[in-house]
Amino acid sequence: NAGVTQTPKFQVLKTGQSMTLQCAQDMNHEYMSWYRQDPGMGLRLIHYSVGAGITDQGEVPNGYNVSRSTTEDFPLRLLSAAPSQTSVYFCASRTQGARDIQYFGAGTRLSVL
Amino acid sequence: QQPVQSPQAVILREGEDAVINCSSSKALYSVHWYRQKHGEAPVFLMILLKGGEQKGHDKISASFNEKKQQSSLYLTASQLSYSGTYFCGTERTGGSYIPTFGRGTSLIVHP
Repeated sequence: NAGVTQTPKFQVLKTGQSMTLQCAQDMNHEYMSWYRQDPGMGLRLIHYSVGAGITDQGEVPNGYNVSRSTTEDFPLRLLSAAPSQTSVYFCASRTQGARDIQYFGAGTRLSVL
Repeated sequence: QQPVQSPQAVILREGEDAVINCSSSKALYSVHWYRQKHGEAPVFLMILLKGGEQKGHDKISASFNEKKQQSSLYLTASQLSYSGTYFCGTERTGGSYIPTFGRGTSLIVHP
């Protein structure tokens, strides 16, 4: 039982490049989400999904795309990276139960030059 | 909209107590509390549902007043291991089961 797995752990991109941050969970959780963490800003919600085929925008969705074709996977796509997207990205998942814990992945540290 | 946490930072000596507050302008269904160590992922502490409940875990406890849309985290007799950044996450009444987090409170415990 690996929990929430994020890859890669570190990534350096040039402005304008594209990439996909991977997130997978093996707990059969319905809800998955992506947050970015910047100094002094806390964790800000980018996109989330309440089940396969269903996604919605969070607080800061611009510049990011997501899809959810399976329960296990929830990739985050940067189509044209910008320096403002330099951040630490966390994926999280939880079940539908109101008292259930939200589990976080270890994070991906992204630098856009 | 992010909940508001206060204070932004707390510096303590071992054995001292601290209170971290979290408030929202929206009607809340639940409040989550997490602690994050530098360079690591946030780790779950507790979740409180509306109903004005209070929960405890070792020497860390929390309360939730849904009428005031406020929650407080109480750390008593602090230990060095309590150092880190504390985040509250809130779920709006009628919203999704995806919490929105505050900016965090940095807690430093000195020997």
